[in-house]
Amino acid sequence: EVQLVESGGGLVKPGGSLRLSCAASGFTFSSYTMNWVRQAPGKGLEWVSSISSSSSYIYYADSLKGRFTISRDNAKNSLYLQMNSLRAEDTAVYYCARSPAPGTHFDYWGQGTLVTVSS
Amino acid sequence: QSGLTQPPSVSAPPGQKVTISCSGSSSNIGNNYVSWYQQLPGTAPKLLIYENNKRPSGIPDRFSGSKSGTSATLGITGLQTGDEADYYCGTWDSSLSAGVFGGGTKLTVL
Repeated sequence: EVQLVESGGGLVKPGGSLRLSCAASGFTFSSYTMNWVRQAPGKGLEWVSSISSSSSYIYYADSLKGRFTISRDNAKNSLYLQMNSLRAEDTAVYYCARSPAPGTHFDYWGQGTLVTVSS
Repeated sequence: QSGLTQPPSVSAPPGQKVTISCSGSSSNIGNNYVSWYQQLPGTAPKLLIYENNKRPSGIPDRFSGSKSGTSATLGITGLQTGDEADYYCGTWDSSLSAGVFGGGTKLTVL
């Protein structure tokens, strides 16, 4: 059974940093593109970033303007999102999601981890 | 960042059919596959349709997808109260090299 479990969310002050993790199991992690998608409270889905299976291709939403960095460790079956210079508008549930390839659909999603940016 | 356009809400009685539209442009829907996601209240999104019209294993054939030009449509027949959820379309934007979603459509079965 495919499982994606996010962790690392919490309360952080504006300007602070946070590192999210996503632990994957039940599939060959190194064969899939992985993604982060976020959802602000009461709002719709927003694609954040994607990383290909071997980390050769990495994409970010323009709105992030270099503040976020996606990475993965295939040996540990883990996906990460380093978030710096956090703003109130980054407050959201952050979902880890799997894709067969870059630019394709998200076939499995984690349950999400809540990031709250507030003073 | 450009998104896709969906109606904010749709409604229909149980047993009836509803369609949800998703409008984009040549750089996204026009040249890439469309997928659809169902988000039940308080839960993570779930893949309903991929590659415009394919259903993952376990998704009933009451759900269907289609695409024409720069628009896509999700159809749901035999509506059930359990179908009440938010529905999102998504695709890739080749010009932006970014994923894009619609704003979401809230389905009410009344």
